[in-house]
Amino acid sequence: DTGVSQDPRHKITKRGQNVTFRCDPISEHNRLYWYRQTLGQGPEFLTYFQNEAQLEKSRLLSDRFSAERPKGSFSTLEIQRTEQGDSAMYLCASYRAVGSGANVLTFGAGSRLTVL
Amino acid sequence: DAKTTQPNSMESNEEEPVHLPCNHSTISGTDYIHWYRQLPSQGPEYVIHGLTSNVNNRMASLAIAEDRKSSTLILHRATLRDAAVYYCILRDVNYGQNFVFGPGTRLSVLP
Repeated sequence: DTGVSQDPRHKITKRGQNVTFRCDPISEHNRLYWYRQTLGQGPEFLTYFQNEAQLEKSRLLSDRFSAERPKGSFSTLEIQRTEQGDSAMYLCASYRAVGSGANVLTFGAGSRLTVL
Repeated sequence: DAKTTQPNSMESNEEEPVHLPCNHSTISGTDYIHWYRQLPSQGPEYVIHGLTSNVNNRMASLAIAEDRKSSTLILHRATLRDAAVYYCILRDVNYGQNFVFGPGTRLSVLP
């Protein structure tokens, strides 16, 4: 179990640029979640995948945001035409769904985005 | 998702027990109670979860009220490394594949 890896850990970009974050979940975990967290707030749900299928998207995920998990392994979160309000920590988490409410999430360390 | 309420912040002295409360008066019979914590500059980490009975693990204990409308996370002996934001979350075993985080309780541990 190598944990959930996120890359890059920090990204500084100028407004209007595109950015992409990558998440490598724990290998046997079939569910993958993306959250966004701003200073002083709890994580806010963005989207989740079951294998390669994107099953739920929050209304926070505007048209400028897109997430993929092409082979049911790693996932990418792309933000197009970044705005200053996109500055946040983007967290990825995974778990292996076995049909129980006792499933727990394992989070990565996050990717911090700063939009200038 | 059913809502939880927690105090914004709490303080504890090192090596003393800490009781972190969570109210969830609208909990349903199939909601599990989960606790996560987030250390500075890290992603949240799982602490403990339960359904009806009190639970213990190496990190903490979870005391669940008989009517399940509240619960308490107990750190038996706080250390400086326990300073974090603690989140109480309800998760329905039948619905809602999402984990909904509130603002949590910021725990400060004083030496």
